[in-house]
Amino acid sequence: DAGVIQSPRHEVTEMGQEVTLRCKPISGHNSLFWYRQTMMRGLELLIYFNNNVPIDDSGMPEDRFSAKMPNASFSTLKIQPSEPRDSAVYFCASSLGGGYNQPQHFGDGTRLSIL
Amino acid sequence: AQSVAQPEDQVNVAEGNPLTVKCTYSVSGNPYLFWYVQYPNRGLQFLLKYITGDNLVKGSYGFEAEFNKSQTSFHLKKPSALVSDSALYFCAVRGGRPTFGRGTSLIVHP
Repeated sequence: DAGVIQSPRHEVTEMGQEVTLRCKPISGHNSLFWYRQTMMRGLELLIYFNNNVPIDDSGMPEDRFSAKMPNASFSTLKIQPSEPRDSAVYFCASSLGGGYNQPQHFGDGTRLSIL
Repeated sequence: AQSVAQPEDQVNVAEGNPLTVKCTYSVSGNPYLFWYVQYPNRGLQFLLKYITGDNLVKGSYGFEAEFNKSQTSFHLKKPSALVSDSALYFCAVRGGRPTFGRGTSLIVHP
């Protein structure tokens, strides 16, 4: 079975550029999560969607970050403008059922470097 | 506020020996506890979870975890370690939004 698919796997761009990260959740899963992983802060939840609706975006660091889920099979995380401190590995995860209490299935992440 | 502590950055064990990766938590109400494993350049993989019931939870790849309410701990264990178990292990608690520990690097020596 196909797992969570993220693209690109690696992104290197210059400060100030717009960055768009993409995620395809596991078919049939109705919850989707975006995480950021850094050495300094560990793994942080950015935003949680249920049935394509943002439920909890309290982890989104600032207005430069935005996330959308136009349909059940696709989500984007956008950073505009990007800054060097946004460099991190960004993970998308999906789960079956609502809330935070179901096992989450993670993609392999996008390693983002902002120069 | 809820929190998770993984007191060891690294655990070293010889292949064939039992292993323990420690996790303690703080949360209001009943905890939902999880263990995940992360291999290099990969996403986290679910190992096991505790919601209620038996204090010993069995999971994937021969791992198990023991929930101890009085000590607010949820240690991950395996009776006999394999070199292929070498990876980064994360404990997570969900009393609301998920909180992950900082991770423990498990190194199993041949």
